[in-house]
Amino acid sequence: QKEVEQDPGPLSVPEGAIVSLNCTYSNSAFQYFMWYRQYSRKGPELLMYTYSSGNKEDGRFTAQVDKSSKYISLFIRDSQPSDSATYLCAMSRGSNDYKLSFGAGTTVTVRA
Amino acid sequence: NAGVTQTPKFQVLKTGQSMTLQCAQDMNHNSMYWYRQDPGMGLRLIYYSASEGTTDKGEVPNGYNVSRLNKREFSLRLESAAPSQTSVYFCASSEGVGRGRTEAFFGQGTRLTVV
Repeated sequence: QKEVEQDPGPLSVPEGAIVSLNCTYSNSAFQYFMWYRQYSRKGPELLMYTYSSGNKEDGRFTAQVDKSSKYISLFIRDSQPSDSATYLCAMSRGSNDYKLSFGAGTTVTVRA
Repeated sequence: NAGVTQTPKFQVLKTGQSMTLQCAQDMNHNSMYWYRQDPGMGLRLIYYSASEGTTDKGEVPNGYNVSRLNKREFSLRLESAAPSQTSVYFCASSEGVGRGRTEAFFGQGTRLTVV
């Protein structure tokens, strides 16, 4: 079983819809949680960074972490065609163990 | 500010050939990483360097070697390429141990095909 599980999709939504992405994980030691966006043939770019449980909002993006359920989510409101990309969740144990474990990524297409 | 720069961007090798992938970062980060990305597998850590002068194996190190040349540069070497090493390779860097932030910043990738 993988340490981080992520549904690969693909996910196709109409423009303006809310996109909901999630990951589950098995290691309770994870404390730092990230979401990366990767456009085709490009490197991953950091989208959201959160520590421990709770919510974080940045513009149209909201990241949620529920450590008790070992579950993290990313919501994209008012989705745009430019949001079409692969979204990767990542997590690490802490500042003394900085290696990231990644999910497989979910491919999202926003239809105009 | 270029961030993380990888060379080359594309490469085709024959089975058994060797090559070195180069990576440099200009963010004064302590830690650097090499990942490979394959369809359906996500990003898998090959090797990492916590700080200048140290290197450690990641999840999939077989068939690879690394060198942390200085604080800026971290290279990945394939001594005898195999078709199973066909992949997209990403270099990344992060502030490192004790800095309180663990997110990594990635280069644009090297697409390697071994025939």
